[in-house]
Amino acid sequence: TQLLEQSPQFLSIQEGENLTVYCNSSSVFSSLQWYRQEPGEGPVLLVTVVTGGEVKKLKRLTFQFGDARKDSSLHITAAQPGDTGLYLCACYTGNQFYFGTGTSLTVIP
Amino acid sequence: GAVVSQHPSRVICKSGTSVKIECRSLDFQATTMFWYRQFPKQSLMLMATSNEGSKATYEQGVEKDKFLINHASLTLSTLTVTSAHPEDSSFYICSAGDRGLNTIYFGEGSWLTVV
Repeated sequence: TQLLEQSPQFLSIQEGENLTVYCNSSSVFSSLQWYRQEPGEGPVLLVTVVTGGEVKKLKRLTFQFGDARKDSSLHITAAQPGDTGLYLCACYTGNQFYFGTGTSLTVIP
Repeated sequence: GAVVSQHPSRVICKSGTSVKIECRSLDFQATTMFWYRQFPKQSLMLMATSNEGSKATYEQGVEKDKFLINHASLTLSTLTVTSAHPEDSSFYICSAGDRGLNTIYFGEGSWLTVV
């Protein structure tokens, strides 16, 4: 079983639509990170959420950390083709750094 | 600029040979380095965690004799894929963290193709 389960796994939407990606776990984390990755490149950090219930905004992206610090969501408003990519949540546990199962987003012009 | 550099970015090797991928931290001392494997449109799968000067900790299901990881210095970790097979073809990414893992930096990744 995966430590961090993301849903949906694949998402294809039209430009201008809104979407939400979920990252769920049965474990409690001190923090969660969200990354975006382009094919053939390393992941790029978008945000780190630390406090339960925390909401962070990055332009059209809104990140939320669950009150119990077991889950997180990423909401994109008015998606654009440039948002296309693989979105990954990630966490530290022990001395390891794990990624979620990933959500592959395609925004169609 | 990049703070973690991976080399080579692409490598093609013959089945049965070994190939080494280097991961270097450029501006900081990386006490911990992580190695991941990734298939197209899938997430990064943690293979092993290495701490400078000690043996790597491998994730369940990863063959430590096949994927040799060395972290001999605070700026360099290497992943050697031994006796490579076509099914080892993948995208391999390293990341490096400073002491306390306050920040994690990722390499650019290495494409391995075994023919």
